[in-house]
Amino acid sequence: DGGITQSPKYLFRKEGQNVTLSCEQNLNHDAMYWYRQDPGQGLRLIYYSQIVNDFQKGDIAEGYSVSREKKESFPLTVTSAQKNPTAFYLCASSGQLYGYTFGSGTRLTVV
Amino acid sequence: GQQLNQSPQSMFIQEGEDVSMNCTSSSIFNTWLWYKQDPGEGPVLLIALYKAGELTSNGRLTAQFGITRKDSFLNISASIPSDVGIYFCAGSKTSYDKVIFGPGTSLSVIP
Repeated sequence: DGGITQSPKYLFRKEGQNVTLSCEQNLNHDAMYWYRQDPGQGLRLIYYSQIVNDFQKGDIAEGYSVSREKKESFPLTVTSAQKNPTAFYLCASSGQLYGYTFGSGTRLTVV
Repeated sequence: GQQLNQSPQSMFIQEGEDVSMNCTSSSIFNTWLWYKQDPGEGPVLLIALYKAGELTSNGRLTAQFGITRKDSFLNISASIPSDVGIYFCAGSKTSYDKVIFGPGTSLSVIP
């Protein structure tokens, strides 16, 4: 079955450390997205990529970095520059007609 | 930038009741989407609407694309406990544009 996979489901980070969240899709979608969700809040766009080797900042890109070396993969790195990284992170991909397909999310906690 | 407003922000209803929620935009959209997010999971697409005035059903769910193309409505009939979650509306102008998400309506169903 085609889908989008995020790993790990839960991630703990010490202050000052970088961590990388994985997102892989086998839907043959060109575009991929990273969102951040805080408790009781909506979705805020961090970065998006519409094609391999190209990506754009979203609304809250500071403290985050991404790469898009393969169509299937769009990893997100939460750097030490992100001062409040504890959140639920969602990856999505899109084809043309049916909106976004989301992964099941990664919950990041700073300890 | 474009913004979507959803109302109500949250709802507490008795099992068996019908639910109505809506989404409005300051801009015209050509696609409206409704997603449901279960706790701790990624949003899942419920209904996609592509034409002004379109009315589409998915089981107990019915969504409508407003005639002005600036709003959309989602109705849930005979609510059950598994309807609990956050319902997001989303819109886009074309299939190539980023999708804009609303802030969500949180639904709680009291057995």
